[in-house]
Amino acid sequence: DIQMTQSPASLSASLGETVSIECLASEDIYNNLAWYQQKPGKSPQLLIYYASSLQDGVPSRFSGSGSGTQYSLKINSLESEDAATYFCLQDSEYPWTFGGGTKLELK
Amino acid sequence: QVQLKESGPGLVQPSETLSLTCTVSGFSLTSYSVSWVRQPSGKGPEWMGRMWYDGDTAYNSALKSRLSISRDTSKNQVFLKMNSLQTDDTGTYYCTRGLGAPDCWGQGVMVTVSS
Repeated sequence: DIQMTQSPASLSASLGETVSIECLASEDIYNNLAWYQQKPGKSPQLLIYYASSLQDGVPSRFSGSGSGTQYSLKINSLESEDAATYFCLQDSEYPWTFGGGTKLELK
Repeated sequence: QVQLKESGPGLVQPSETLSLTCTVSGFSLTSYSVSWVRQPSGKGPEWMGRMWYDGDTAYNSALKSRLSISRDTSKNQVFLKMNSLQTDDTGTYYCTRGLGAPDCWGQGVMVTVSS
């Protein structure tokens, strides 16, 4: 199985700041990487697919990049509504596997 | 409007079988795949398996011996059956839609395995 190592596990930032979250795959996943946002008690929401494609309706302050085994999610100009847990998912190979999650707290 | 809704028992006895139904609307099961994903409380999600739009299936090898996914296209429903449940199968179970990475998730159903 492909292992997805996500970092950091938690993050605290201020409104207006820019943050990045990383996912490292145990092997090449050929950009088959998605990012999700999950708020407490809610279902995950797709933010980015195929490493860098922005899902319809997602604010442009979210962006994804990377290739091979290394991928990142960047959130510019943090807003209060961005407080959530973020997960990466590789859908390159079965079984699809998720990163461990990053909990983003707003100061 | 694309919607998925999970239904099933909230409490299952250890060693029993879990049966869940995902009822979809706003899209066709013959055009999109549906995956089941579960998430223990406070932990990351785990992909369980997938019903392809053409009726083929794929399973997480860790669960394959216990898991079965089927569908009834006439009722717009996808089914999950998993046997020999244990306490570490407790969590929220989601059905999701996507040709690749899921782009729409149901609200989830909480399943507790306990006697």
